[in-house]
Amino acid sequence: AAGVIQSPRHLIKEKRETATLKCYPIPRHDTVYWYQQGPGQDPQFLISFYEKMQSDKGSIPDRFSAQQFSDYHSELNMSSLELGDSALYFCASRGSGRALNEQFFGPGTRLTVL
Amino acid sequence: KNEVEQSPQNLTAQEGEFITINCSYSVGISALHWLQQHPGGGIVSLFMLSSGKKKHGRLIATINIQEKHSSLHITASHPRDSAVYICAVRGAGGSNYKLTFGKGTLLTVNP
Repeated sequence: AAGVIQSPRHLIKEKRETATLKCYPIPRHDTVYWYQQGPGQDPQFLISFYEKMQSDKGSIPDRFSAQQFSDYHSELNMSSLELGDSALYFCASRGSGRALNEQFFGPGTRLTVL
Repeated sequence: KNEVEQSPQNLTAQEGEFITINCSYSVGISALHWLQQHPGGGIVSLFMLSSGKKKHGRLIATINIQEKHSSLHITASHPRDSAVYICAVRGAGGSNYKLTFGKGTLLTVNP
């Protein structure tokens, strides 16, 4: 069965550069969540989208923005990168119906800011 | 105080041992996830529970809603079970399904 796809899997950037992370949900899933996990930290919720609209916002810096497109994939745009942005960014998708509660996780994008 | 507390933080076991990881939470929830994360790797969902007990292979997860407590058990542990196990909860009532995570339990199973 198709899973959540994220790209790229690894990304190395310099300080002050920009980065774009992509998340492709499971087919027919309409909700995407973004989480950030710093080194040795527990994951923190960043932002979520439902039906292409932002549905909730967590601890996402103003330097970051995100959107969900018509095909339900989502992109997390990160500007003016800082060393502290180095983390594993993973997304999760959720659909409607019987599996309403369950989120399925992508493998994550490991961002390293040098 | 964290909304989701896991214990122990670190656990070392010998191959074949029975393992229990505990999770307590302080808020009302509608679902609880047990997740597995290998070092440097992504997150895999093991279970999603809202009541009772679930079993998959050597893994068993239980939840007691009244006591706000869940346990993850691993029977006949194996070195490949070595990973971080994370408890995550989804709040009740309009929380948009976002998850709040515990800090994880690092399990090391030695051969």
